[in-house]
Amino acid sequence: DSGVTQTPKHLITATGQRVTLRCSPRSGDLSVYWYQQSLDQGLQFLIQYYNGEERAKGNILERFSAQQFPDLHSELNLSSLELGDSALYFCASSEQGGLYGYTFGSGTRLTVV
Amino acid sequence: AQSVAQPEDQVNVAEGNPLTVKCTYSVSGNPYLFWYVQYPNRGLQFLLKYITGDNLVKGSYGFEAEFNKSQTSFHLKKPSALVSDSALYFCAVRPLYNQGGKLIFGQGTELSVKP
Repeated sequence: DSGVTQTPKHLITATGQRVTLRCSPRSGDLSVYWYQQSLDQGLQFLIQYYNGEERAKGNILERFSAQQFPDLHSELNLSSLELGDSALYFCASSEQGGLYGYTFGSGTRLTVV
Repeated sequence: AQSVAQPEDQVNVAEGNPLTVKCTYSVSGNPYLFWYVQYPNRGLQFLLKYITGDNLVKGSYGFEAEFNKSQTSFHLKKPSALVSDSALYFCAVRPLYNQGGKLIFGQGTELSVKP
């Protein structure tokens, strides 16, 4: 157990639907990062939150959004899902700037049918 | 543009032989460098990192990596490979002055160790 908890582990949904992925960071970590892993794109950074505020944004689609709550857990919302959104979505956490490392969760495997 | 390259999609090694997984980077300034390993259907596990100091960094499971500033490389090595080392390996960099602190990953290298 890495200390970063992601739920659900697996999700199967239909095109056009909306899903929410959840991440609880390791105790004491204030930063949360979301990554998408697909066969053709590798690991792509989506977005980072630090202590409730958006800190950095990567190649995140407009159909995707995220937030970090006061208890520091984060949610990634994916809407109007397309077949191409099928991927593994990872959450990672770190202290402020990641200078001492990043801890990854086990991921949520999203399948859009 | 900031990037990380892992030039080999796959590396095949016989058990007991030394292994090298290559990584080069292109970022401004001195980056922080990381290696992660991913086993099937699992998340990424931290192996080692270079922040500053000795260019040879030792990490988990007998792995080590050598930082070479002039060649902008951070190759992962192990003197004697095990079958259980077979997995997907990712090199990542955190540019020192980037916004936030995100990691930039390479495409990954599939390591296969045969008995």
